[in-house]
Amino acid sequence: AQSVTQLGSHVSVSEGALVLLRCNYSSSVPPYLFWYVQYPNQGLQLLLKYTSAATLVKGINGFEAEFKKSETSFHLTKPSAHMSDAAEYFCAVSDSGTASKLTFGTGTRLQVTL
Amino acid sequence: DTGVSQDPRHKITKRGQNVTFRCDPISEHNRLYWYRQTLGQGPEFLTYFQNEAQLEKSRLLSDRFSAERPKGSFSTLEIQRTEQGDSAMYLCASTPGGERGSYEQYFGPGTRLTVT
Repeated sequence: AQSVTQLGSHVSVSEGALVLLRCNYSSSVPPYLFWYVQYPNQGLQLLLKYTSAATLVKGINGFEAEFKKSETSFHLTKPSAHMSDAAEYFCAVSDSGTASKLTFGTGTRLQVTL
Repeated sequence: DTGVSQDPRHKITKRGQNVTFRCDPISEHNRLYWYRQTLGQGPEFLTYFQNEAQLEKSRLLSDRFSAERPKGSFSTLEIQRTEQGDSAMYLCASTPGGERGSYEQYFGPGTRLTVT
């Protein structure tokens, strides 16, 4: 069974600072990994995905993530935070099987301060 | 492509009542998923459909829950005899299937259920 651990339920950064949101996964098969963002009272929007191609994945809004198999990690980064990045971020893993259902982490709330 | 839509966006009901939610996936997406998200948690998988066939159900989906996708297009999720523990955001997602299927799931805005 797959699982995802997101370290840090709340992260606060200053505007313009580096954003680093951590995600570690557990999977018995090569995983597909995703980062989603959720704004208040809205659904989830895909930021980026890893599906066994390049290990460094670039997404929307300047975010990127690096798949590190040896560390079972898929951390999300952005060089310079913007106020509009304040939201809840979820890491998810898919089993790549027929169902391809997603298993999500508990989320990290990103706060961006002036 | 109008995205995944869900109706209603909010539902307040009294304990013991039945409620039904609707999800309209992106057209021609033959896979449809339901998730439940409680406060402070990530979404949890409930069930999924490939066309009209319900192929997997989570243990979270008790006997009071039933989901259908009668014509392989929209889906409904019904909760009978609601309990306060059913209060959550119910999210629907869809994705193309088949050989060229993408594993990216497109989510709707969700239906927030409050059971009083």
